[in-house]
Amino acid sequence: GDSVTQMEGPVTLSEEAFLTINCTYTATGYPSLFWYVQYPGEGLQLLLKATKADDKGSNKGFEATYRKETTSFHLEKGSVQVSDSAVYFCAPGGSARQLTFGSGTQLTVLP
Amino acid sequence: DGGITQSPKYLFRKEGQNVTLSCEQNLNHDAMYWYRQDPGQGLRLIYYSQIVNDFQKGDIAEGYSVSREKKESFPLTVTSAQKNPTAFYLCASSINPGTNTGELFFGEGSRLTVL
Repeated sequence: GDSVTQMEGPVTLSEEAFLTINCTYTATGYPSLFWYVQYPGEGLQLLLKATKADDKGSNKGFEATYRKETTSFHLEKGSVQVSDSAVYFCAPGGSARQLTFGSGTQLTVLP
Repeated sequence: DGGITQSPKYLFRKEGQNVTLSCEQNLNHDAMYWYRQDPGQGLRLIYYSQIVNDFQKGDIAEGYSVSREKKESFPLTVTSAQKNPTAFYLCASSINPGTNTGELFFGEGSRLTVL
């Protein structure tokens, strides 16, 4: 079945630092790829997505590029803010059943 | 506004009691899902439903039950058979389970604590 390996946290950065959270996956075919974000005490929200190879998803300064050759979908942001502190989940889609979620990466941004 | 509403947000249960978590959506989505989240872990699928009056077990269905009598509603019952029910429960929905996009819309979650 599908699986995803996500960079383990927690990750602690200072404000305005560069962020990378690695994500690699195994899946049948070429699934859509997603990053979700979960703020404390809340459900998950879609952060960005890419539906085919070489697509770049972007939102709120975050970016991720669908790399078919390396089966990766790493999340990046050039300058993080305190408000970006949350848990980030990588998820390859592609089946009618549901998404396969990574274990999540806790990000804390210090002022 | 359209969305998914879960209730209650917090719930306490004594051992041996069944509890039911509510999930309602007004997004006109066909598919609905229940996930369990434990501290520091990812989401694990409990049950999902692609259409009214039909549902399938996920990865950790033991000790849980669901119903899907209406498109808008997908309640989850945590039974006394669930050995370790304390967790954060998330309900989600998607437009069309048969497509290859897989984008999910989540509720705010329900935190269940067994005393």
